[in-house]
Amino acid sequence: ETGVTQTPRHLVMGMTNKKSLKCEQHLGHNAMYWYKQSAKKPLELMFVYNFKEQTENNSVPSRFSPECPNSSHLFLHLHTLQPEDSALYLCASSQDWQGYNEQFFGPGTRLTVL
Amino acid sequence: AQTVTQSQPEMSVQEAETVTLSCTYDTSESDYYLFWYKQPPSRQMILVIRQEAYKQQNATENRFSVNFQKAAKSFSLKISDSQLGDAAMYFCAYRSASGWSTSGTYKYIFGTGTRLKVLA
Repeated sequence: ETGVTQTPRHLVMGMTNKKSLKCEQHLGHNAMYWYKQSAKKPLELMFVYNFKEQTENNSVPSRFSPECPNSSHLFLHLHTLQPEDSALYLCASSQDWQGYNEQFFGPGTRLTVL
Repeated sequence: AQTVTQSQPEMSVQEAETVTLSCTYDTSESDYYLFWYKQPPSRQMILVIRQEAYKQQNATENRFSVNFQKAAKSFSLKISDSQLGDAAMYFCAYRSASGWSTSGTYKYIFGTGTRLKVLA
């Protein structure tokens, strides 16, 4: 296991529900990411935070709302989702100073929208 | 915009044999980094190997090595002496080296992945 944890690991929700995904990194990194992983598609970058500030919003629908209260925690708030939003949601972190740094991934949350 | 292409959705290899996974990318940048990530079934994605574009020497990590052809924009992964534990999805990824000054973070571009099966 890496130093990035995600909860819950599995989530089933109806289209009218509101739920939140949580990510926590214990690596002292400054950057955190949300990705959506669907079958047979590339990982889709959703949001990027650097030192708690959002630096990327990759044209994500407003039914996904990120929150980054500090450099170690990242949330993804979900409301009125659609069945096509069912996917594996991955959180990642990296120490993004100049020079290359790999991303460390969490185990993901498997989301099913009914 | 940069793109990463993995043209092999699925590959199979006999245990102890060697297999090569293909990756091509498109970019107009000269300075960047390339990665191979492994995602075992129901487990976390982990880094397998990385390559700096300015380095001519191919990266090697134990049984894993890359064939980096910058002019051809090709970055293949070779797995030698394949083991059952190598079975996983493998993702090729690209990262610019020049993103810091603009957005403050780097964007990673991933391919669609190659599912590797290892046959006993």
